[in-house]
Amino acid sequence: AQSVAQPEDQVNVAEGNPLTVKCTYSVSGNPYLFWYVQYPNRGLQFLLKYITGDNLVKGSYGFEAEFNKSQTSFHLKKPSALVSDSALYFCAVRGTKAAGNKLTFGGGTRVLVKP
Amino acid sequence: EAGVVQSPRYKIIEKKQPVAFWCNPISGHNTLYWYLQNLGQGPELLIRYENEEAVDDSQLPKDRFSAERLKGVDSTLKIQPAELGDSAVYLCASTRTGEFGETQYFGPGTRLLVL
Repeated sequence: AQSVAQPEDQVNVAEGNPLTVKCTYSVSGNPYLFWYVQYPNRGLQFLLKYITGDNLVKGSYGFEAEFNKSQTSFHLKKPSALVSDSALYFCAVRGTKAAGNKLTFGGGTRVLVKP
Repeated sequence: EAGVVQSPRYKIIEKKQPVAFWCNPISGHNTLYWYLQNLGQGPELLIRYENEEAVDDSQLPKDRFSAERLKGVDSTLKIQPAELGDSAVYLCASTRTGEFGETQYFGPGTRLLVL
């Protein structure tokens, strides 16, 4: 069965500092990896995805993520965090058809950026 | 283009009452998903439609939950009767196809409170 782990429930960072949100995954075959952000009382907004190709993926709002196959990780990063980046972040993996063709989400990491 | 539309945004009902949620996907998106999101957790798939066909409803509690997508566009998710444990956010998402690399776009969700 496929799974996603986000080991940190919350990440605190000062505005202007780099932000990293960790994600590791387990899936059969090649992974398709996604990051979403959720603001209060809102649905999930797509940030970026890895399908194939370059391990460094660039997405919306200055976010990027690095795919590391050997470590089965897909950490989300932003060089300089903004207060407005404070939100709930979800990593997700989609496996092969044999694995049910499902998008499986991690438990989420709350990011708090302090001014 | 307009995003995924859901209504109502909030619903408060007493236990044992029925409730229904409505979703209108992004125009041209033939794959539609319903997810359940409990507080502080990632979304979990309830059902996936390809056009009007439910191709994955393995996670849908069929004793009380039902869904339909009669014309392959709008969809309705129903709970009858509702239980206290059904209090959660119900998210709808859509993609152009069900292919692995396709990004799922989410609506704002319906927050259900069962008293």
